[in-house]
Amino acid sequence: ETGVTQTPRHLVMGMTNKKSLKCEQHLGHNAMYWYKQSAKKPLELMFVYNFKEQTENNSVPSRFSPECPNSSHLFLHLHTLQPEDSALYLCASSQDGEGLEKLFFGSGTQLSVL
Amino acid sequence: AQTVTQSQPEMSVQEAETVTLSCTYDTSESDYYLFWYKQPPSRQMILVIRQEAYKQQNATENRFSVNFQKAAKSFSLKISDSQLGDAAMYFCAYYNFNKFYFGSGTKLNVKP
Repeated sequence: ETGVTQTPRHLVMGMTNKKSLKCEQHLGHNAMYWYKQSAKKPLELMFVYNFKEQTENNSVPSRFSPECPNSSHLFLHLHTLQPEDSALYLCASSQDGEGLEKLFFGSGTQLSVL
Repeated sequence: AQTVTQSQPEMSVQEAETVTLSCTYDTSESDYYLFWYKQPPSRQMILVIRQEAYKQQNATENRFSVNFQKAAKSFSLKISDSQLGDAAMYFCAYYNFNKFYFGSGTKLNVKP
């Protein structure tokens, strides 16, 4: 069982569709993150949750809606996306505040918006 | 805002040779962490090495070591005895105040 699991691995959706990305961490961490990875660009931080509370929303368009029902699960709800939203979406977790700060990543969801 | 710059989009190294990947960052803070992550074709980012800014000693992990120059805000990664499995994207990252900042990555090719 890997530490951070993301589903689905690949997703193709039309601009009018609604879909959700799922992330689950089995590491007992207190923080979870969504990152967007586009080719030849730095990873873009989208959202941060600490103890289920959203602590960061990095000016992300409202067509991306995060949800963190508990400290182990994180969702990214997608609706009316644009073709430029096509990218690899990475989930990560960390245990902050104990000098152990480092990110553990999932394998990502490769999203294509048609 | 903190920025992390990797000026080498792509590099190549011969198997068994040594290669150094460059990273610079911009910060006004004195306490922070620096990381190198590896992303193989499987896409999962894997932590390679971690450095606390307050430690003067450079971190090492087996064949991986860093050259941390705090005053110059430089954090390079040296891979010794390169192996085919080292071929991947390598990302430099900076952490402070609950935020991670990443560079744009360096693609490392390893030639047999």
